[in-house]
Amino acid sequence: NAGVTQTPKFRVLKTGQSMTLLCAQDMNHEYMYWYRQDPGMGLRLIHYSVGEGTTAKGEVPDGYNVSRLKKQNFLLGLESAAPSQTSVYFCASVARFSYNEQFFGPGTRLTVL
Amino acid sequence: GENVEQHPSTLSVQEGDSAVIKCTYSDSASNYFPWYKQELGKGPQLIIDIRSNVGEKKDQRIAVTLNKTAKHFSLHITETQPEDSAVYFCAASNGNTGTASKLTFGTGTRLQVTL
Repeated sequence: NAGVTQTPKFRVLKTGQSMTLLCAQDMNHEYMYWYRQDPGMGLRLIHYSVGEGTTAKGEVPDGYNVSRLKKQNFLLGLESAAPSQTSVYFCASVARFSYNEQFFGPGTRLTVL
Repeated sequence: GENVEQHPSTLSVQEGDSAVIKCTYSDSASNYFPWYKQELGKGPQLIIDIRSNVGEKKDQRIAVTLNKTAKHFSLHITETQPEDSAVYFCAASNGNTGTASKLTFGTGTRLQVTL
């Protein structure tokens, strides 16, 4: 099993550009999460999904949209990137009948100029 | 909402010594407390967790203790080795199996094990 994979690994955007980050998991997990990690601030939850076709806001959702059209994929979109969205983005997934043991992907480093 | 504070932010120990990282949480309803290790350029990896119905859990050189009354929990690493060098995050959540719950993370501790 590949576990949780994220594409791309790195990306540089100009202010106002858009992009989509892809998270894929092959563990048949129900729940998926998107976090951002900034220096000195730990990981903060952006959006999450409890199943195919459902999404919910986390702690810092502004400026991001998500979609979960397939159970194994969770997409994070930036419609109009801003320098404040420069960060490392992590995706995680959880099995439905676990106690919230989250499995993380390797991350996407995004720079917005 | 939940607030998790983590100390220290950096910790340097000599190989073979013990390391202790402490976290406090604010929501008395939190019942699950995992610890993650993040190596440079990688995603966080779960190393140990504890649920609110136990006070201590051990896995080889790693142990976690939980004091529900004081709302704090700690990670203990004994006989540290250079490969223990990483950033460690504590987290807390309130949930049960079969429901999605959100983790609130601490701000991380950078552990450096020197030879």
